[in-house]
Amino acid sequence: EVHLVESGGGLEQPGGSLRLSCAVSGFTFSSFGMSWVRRAPGKGLEWVATINDDGTRKHYADSVEGRFTISRDNSKNMLFLQMNGLRVGDTAVYYCGKDAQYDDVIWGPGTLVTVSS
Amino acid sequence: EIVMTQTPLSSPVTLGQPASISCRSSQSLVHSNGKTYLSWLQQRPGQPPRLLIYKISNRFSGVPDRFSGSGAGTYFTLKISRVEAEDVGVYYCLQATHFPRTFGQGTKVEIK
Repeated sequence: EVHLVESGGGLEQPGGSLRLSCAVSGFTFSSFGMSWVRRAPGKGLEWVATINDDGTRKHYADSVEGRFTISRDNSKNMLFLQMNGLRVGDTAVYYCGKDAQYDDVIWGPGTLVTVSS
Repeated sequence: EIVMTQTPLSSPVTLGQPASISCRSSQSLVHSNGKTYLSWLQQRPGQPPRLLIYKISNRFSGVPDRFSGSGAGTYFTLKISRVEAEDVGVYYCLQATHFPRTFGQGTKVEIK
């Protein structure tokens, strides 16, 4: 059974940093591109970043480019999102999942990031 | 960036009646490999997104057959043949043909 669990969210001040993690099981992690998406309070879903299967290609939304870094550790079946220079507008629930090009995308329960002074 | 425009943004429906959501993309979603990466997702309150339909019209495992997807190129539709109480939530189209990936604004389905 496919299982994804995000962690690392919390309350951070503007300008601060957080590192989100996503633990994956139930499929061959190293064979799939992975993504982070988020949903801010009262808003719709927003794609954040995608990394390819071996970690050599990364794509970011303009809203996070230069501040967020997506990475992965295929030996540990883990996906990460390093978030620097946090802004109030980054407040959201963050979800990890396979890239949306695949036929069987499932997202984890999410982790809440709150950016506030 | 490809803009995904959903209509309507709100859809009050009577139980047992059909519902339909449209999604228009600002550019063709046909990939160079010939596939069209247009998905439909459901997000119930307090839940993560759930994949309903992938590549325009393929129902994901476990999704009831009252959900169906259709379309081509730049115009796509999600239909619920008979709305049930558990279908309440926000529905999104998502394109994964191009980067950046982009979602529609979301359509809130609620019971009248």
